[in-house]
Amino acid sequence: GIQVEQSPPDLILQEGANSTLRCNFSDSVNNLQWFHQNPWGQLINLFYIPSGTKQNGRLSATTVATERYSLLYISSSQTTDSGVYFCAVDYSGNTPLVFGKGTRLSVIA
Amino acid sequence: EAEVAQSPRYKITEKSQAVAFWCDPISGHATLYWYRQILGQGPELLVQFQDESVVDDSQLPKDRFSAERLKGVDSTLKIQPAELGDSAMYLCASSLNRVSGANVLTFGAGSRLTVL
Repeated sequence: GIQVEQSPPDLILQEGANSTLRCNFSDSVNNLQWFHQNPWGQLINLFYIPSGTKQNGRLSATTVATERYSLLYISSSQTTDSGVYFCAVDYSGNTPLVFGKGTRLSVIA
Repeated sequence: EAEVAQSPRYKITEKSQAVAFWCDPISGHATLYWYRQILGQGPELLVQFQDESVVDDSQLPKDRFSAERLKGVDSTLKIQPAELGDSAMYLCASSLNRVSGANVLTFGAGSRLTVL
């Protein structure tokens, strides 16, 4: 099945710093989503981005489908950005969304 | 903003007992998913419904787990009997239409199960 690898597994930042999270996947994808899981466990959809670039405030994401990777950029990080960031992909209309193991981000004041 | 509703948020039970989780997807969403997330890992699909039909339950431990979506709207996930290894977060998600539309999943707040 499709493999999803995220890096780094853990990241500690000072408030105000920028960061880049990476997601590599093993096959051509039909769907790619980035999620933020908050400390209470809820998964919040950040981006639906099977290809191209999108921006939402301090967050932006780029997926290069031909090279099978996606990047999530967080600028001017805040303590509320802390949590686990997941990349999830599927590669056809009938396959389930497969999650990576996540990047745990801790932003300290 | 439309939300996926789940209950209960927290459940503590003893092993061998029965437990049930409920999910109400976003109105109009035809596709509903149950995922299980063990601490420190990413969510893994248990079952996927398209309307009232099961599309994928290949990872559902059918000897103890069951899921239904009788009228194609809300859904129930049941575990009987619960085992210690079932302690996890159970997440429900929905999407507009897996077959014909972009498969953008929206998740509920989850149900955290602890089996003692």
